[in-house]
Amino acid sequence: NAGVMQNPRHLVRRRGQEARLRCSPMKGHSHVYWYRQLPEEGLKFMVYLQKENIIDESGMPKERFSAEFPKEGPSILRIQQVVRGDSAAYFCASSGTGTSEQFFGPGTRLTVL
Amino acid sequence: DQQVKQNSPSLSVQEGRISILNCDYTNSMFDYFLWYKKYPAEGPTFLISISSIKDKNEDGRFTVFLNKSAKHLSLHIVPSQPGDSAVYFCAASAGGSNYKLTFGKGTLLTVNP
Repeated sequence: NAGVMQNPRHLVRRRGQEARLRCSPMKGHSHVYWYRQLPEEGLKFMVYLQKENIIDESGMPKERFSAEFPKEGPSILRIQQVVRGDSAAYFCASSGTGTSEQFFGPGTRLTVL
Repeated sequence: DQQVKQNSPSLSVQEGRISILNCDYTNSMFDYFLWYKKYPAEGPTFLISISSIKDKNEDGRFTVFLNKSAKHLSLHIVPSQPGDSAVYFCAASAGGSNYKLTFGKGTLLTVNP
């Protein structure tokens, strides 16, 4: 039973490029969450999605960031025109309906040069 | 405004002794609390959780205590083992299941052989 999968594990981008982070939830899970962890900080909520719906995006920066969870395929977190301050570890988590335990993927470490 | 606080950045204990990790919260709407363990370069791993209707939950060597009046929870690990050495995050959610988590900054636990 595969856990939450994220790819790539490491991503290097130059300022101004686009970053695409992918997340496949655990089998049977329909709720996906994205979190960001800056150095020496805890994880900060970004967005909560269900299939084809954004439920809560209160933690997403207003510009350059977007997320989707299509009917088929993984959830995507997209960062346009990356800046150095976007360098962080981005974690995806999933949960089943009616449960509060979220299970995390290994994360994508984004480095912006 | 940090709603979940872990005031001890680090804790060191001897193998076989008890480890006590503490967490305080300020948001009265939080009704579900979780502890995660995290190794470097990995995603957080769910350990144990507690609902606000309980004051204690136990799972093997791990016990979580919740004091709602003090807005305080603690994680007890007994006996501590070297493999428990990791960063421990306290997290909280409001509004029942399937909702975003608010994390503390973490406590680095070191268990010395």
